[in-house]
Amino acid sequence: DGGITQSPKYLFRKEGQNVTLSCEQNLNHDAMYWYRQDPGQGLRLIYYSQIVNDFQKGDIAEGYSVSREKKESFPLTVTSAQKNPTAFYLCASSTWTALMNTEAFFGQGTRLTVV
Amino acid sequence: SQQGEEDPQALSIQEGENATMNCSYKTSINNLQWYRQNSGRGLVHLILIRSNEREKHSGRLRVTLDTSKKSSSLLITASRAADTASYFCATAGNMLTFGGGTRLMVKP
Repeated sequence: DGGITQSPKYLFRKEGQNVTLSCEQNLNHDAMYWYRQDPGQGLRLIYYSQIVNDFQKGDIAEGYSVSREKKESFPLTVTSAQKNPTAFYLCASSTWTALMNTEAFFGQGTRLTVV
Repeated sequence: SQQGEEDPQALSIQEGENATMNCSYKTSINNLQWYRQNSGRGLVHLILIRSNEREKHSGRLRVTLDTSKKSSSLLITASRAADTASYFCATAGNMLTFGGGTRLMVKP
């Protein structure tokens, strides 16, 4: 089945730890995105990538890092510099050249909790 | 900063009634999209309207776009309890930017 997969579904982080959230897609999409969602809130863009080996900061990139070494994969690292990382993280992908006219596909999310 | 802002933030209606949600945005767009999110899940695309379109239908969904007012509306007709979810508008320029969402509750 084609789709976008996030793992793990739940993740617990201790204070001061870095953690990496996985996002893989087999839709052959050029663009991939990471969003953060706090309870009862909308989605805020962390990072996005339009092509392999290139990515741009979104509105709330501080304390996060990403890589795009393969078209299929766009992992997000939540570093110890992110002071309030507890949130629901959503990964999405879409075609880039046709971004103007196509939808984004979302993973099922990773819920990160600091313990 | 969020490009789109939905109104109302929350909406509660009876099954069978229509639900209308509004979205306002700030800058020029290529298209505007509406998504649905069930609690604790990912988002699912509902409908896309291009900047040169004024109205679009898909099943029980009707979307309008007024670029002069930088606003859009989503109408769900004959609502069902299963329509209970959060609904988000998203504007597409160089990136896809979401609003804060409308939480819809449809009571059986």
